[in-house]
Parts: sequence; C-alpha cells; structure tokens
Amino acid sequence: QVQLVQSGAEVKKPGSSVKVSCKASGGSLSPYTINWVRQAPGQGLEWVGRFIPLLDMANYAHKFQDRVTFVADKSTNTASMELNSLTSEDTATYYCATRSSGNFGAFGIWGQGTKLIVSS
Amino acid sequence: DVQITQSPSSLSASVGDRVSITCQASQDIAKELNWYQQKSGKVPKLLISDAFNLETGVPARFSGSVSGTNFTFTITSLQTEDIATYYCQQYAHLPFTFGPGTTVHL
Repeated sequence: QVQLVQSGAEVKKPGSSVKVSCKASGGSLSPYTINWVRQAPGQGLEWVGRFIPLLDMANYAHKFQDRVTFVADKSTNTASMELNSLTSEDTATYYCATRSSGNFGAFGIWGQGTKLIVSS
Repeated sequence: DVQITQSPSSLSASVGDRVSITCQASQDIAKELNWYQQKSGKVPKLLISDAFNLETGVPARFSGSVSGTNFTFTITSLQTEDIATYYCQQYAHLPFTFGPGTTVHL
C-alpha cells in the first residue's frame, strides 16, 4: 500500500506563507483522498481539509478556507498544502493522511508529520 | 459542524483494568466514527473504523460500540503499551471533526 512522505520542518515569520508537501510512494496518488490534519504543541488533532486528486476538488474546514490551498501534482505523486498569512497560532505539526482501506473517512496511512514554527 | 464531546479528558488506570471512553456527536452520524491512538511523540494510529470495526493487527482487547449518537471505546484489559491519547473522529459530515482526546495514564 502507499506510504506518505512529507517535506521537512519549516520556520516562518508571521504574515508569510508555507508550503508542505506529501509524496505518495509505492503507488499512485490518484486513487487517494489526501487529508491534512494539524496538531498544535500539546493539543489535539484538527482536520484542516482534504484534496481529492481524481476530481481535482478540495474541501476545507471553515477556519482555514480563506488562507489554505491544496494542490496535487500527479506526475510526481505529490500533494501539497499552502497556508498563508501565518500567525504564531499556526505553529503545529502538519500531517497528511489517507485511507488504508475502502473507507475514505478513516485515516489508516499517515505521513511522518511536518513541524512548522511561526516566529518573528 | 458536528461537535464531538469526548469524555473523560483523562483517566488513570492500572494494568488489567477495563477502560472506557465515550464520544457523543451533536447530530446523527450513523456509525461513521473512527478511533485513533496516539502515543507521545508519535503519529496517530487508526484502531477502529465505522464505530466497531477493528483494524487489521489491532489487539482484540480494543473494541467499539455505538448507541444512537453515543460511541464507546473500550480496552478490556489495559496494558502498559496502551498508555496514549485516544481520539474519536467523525466523517459523516464535512468538515470532519475530531474529539478533544482522552489521555490514559497508569
């Protein structure tokens, strides 16, 4: 089954943007919906949104929808999340996750996480 | 958005104890709720999907049940390796939402 490998840690200044990538290895990205989940330090899991490569369609959680964009490059099997207008509250580990079975809503496969620090 | 109320927020138990965690959804989500385990510093792991379906390789001491909008996750005999934070997550309605988590201590 596919594995998800994410890009490395980032340090960004407030007001800037970050792009986190998630590469599918061992299979094609196309059949998989890529979900993005974040976890602030010491906090719980928060669903950011999802991208469906087959439909080129995204859904976003309300609090992010004005400043997050999901894309996918099918040629490199890589999905990406771009988050704009960063604040210190965006400091978190960002995960990409997808299904391991037919259940599209159960995240059985996770990337290793990308740590983002937003600091001046 | 579907709100998930998860309780307790933390619990302390002994090896061999039966441990139960509940999640209540703010609206009907059928059985579309999953349970995850996250150990300290690790990536979340899917344990149970669709309320009660145990994922392959997950020990049988873990189980899930549902009654209406109330979901229960149970560890029948707690082991030291079960020390973790557990999250429920619904996917019946967008946006998907997670419960706030339950930390299990020894």
